[in-house]
Amino acid sequence: AQSVSQHNHHVILSEAASLELGCNYSYGGTVNLFWYVQYPGQHLQLLLKYFSGDPLVKGIKGFEAEFIKSKFSFNLRKPSVQWSDTAEYFCAVNGYSSASKIIFGSGTRLSIRP
Amino acid sequence: EPEVTQTPSHQVTQMGQEVILRCVPISNHLYFYWYRQILGQKVEFLVSFYNNEISEKSEIFDDQFSVERPDGSNFTLKIRSTKLEDSAMYFCASSSRSNTGELFFGEGSRLTVL
Repeated sequence: AQSVSQHNHHVILSEAASLELGCNYSYGGTVNLFWYVQYPGQHLQLLLKYFSGDPLVKGIKGFEAEFIKSKFSFNLRKPSVQWSDTAEYFCAVNGYSSASKIIFGSGTRLSIRP
Repeated sequence: EPEVTQTPSHQVTQMGQEVILRCVPISNHLYFYWYRQILGQKVEFLVSFYNNEISEKSEIFDDQFSVERPDGSNFTLKIRSTKLEDSAMYFCASSSRSNTGELFFGEGSRLTVL
């Protein structure tokens, strides 16, 4: 069955700490991978995406993610977090040839202490 | 920047009542989606819509749910007889091409069923 697992439900960090949020997926075939972010009271926004090519992708606001095919992983990283990064982060996947849906992970709530 | 808009932002209804949630997707997009997020839970796929018909739907999307694109701009989700467990945030999304997978989300409509 298609699924996305995010291992951390709630992560609390201090400003300037480094961040890594785990994401593993189960999906037959070629995939597209995404990280979406939901700031408090706002809608889901695309942070970054991987379709093909360089497995290290860079997104907005200094975030990056690395696709490791052998581990079925797409972890999100940021070297130095800011208070404004406080949000919910969702990993998501869809099939490259799929006509439709994206499947989301359960989300990781990130809280940054000022 | 083009965006997906949703109305109402919050609706409170009595159990058994019909509810219609409205969405205006980005104008040149062809693929439309509804997702929902029950408080504290993951974002769940409900239905996708392309070329004036449903292309895929989840188990959640039972006979109580329907979608429509009545006038070429709006995309609506109807719940015929609401249940308590339908209380959730409902997100509309659209995309221009299905196989890139990037969805643009609205800010959501919070439905509270009493």
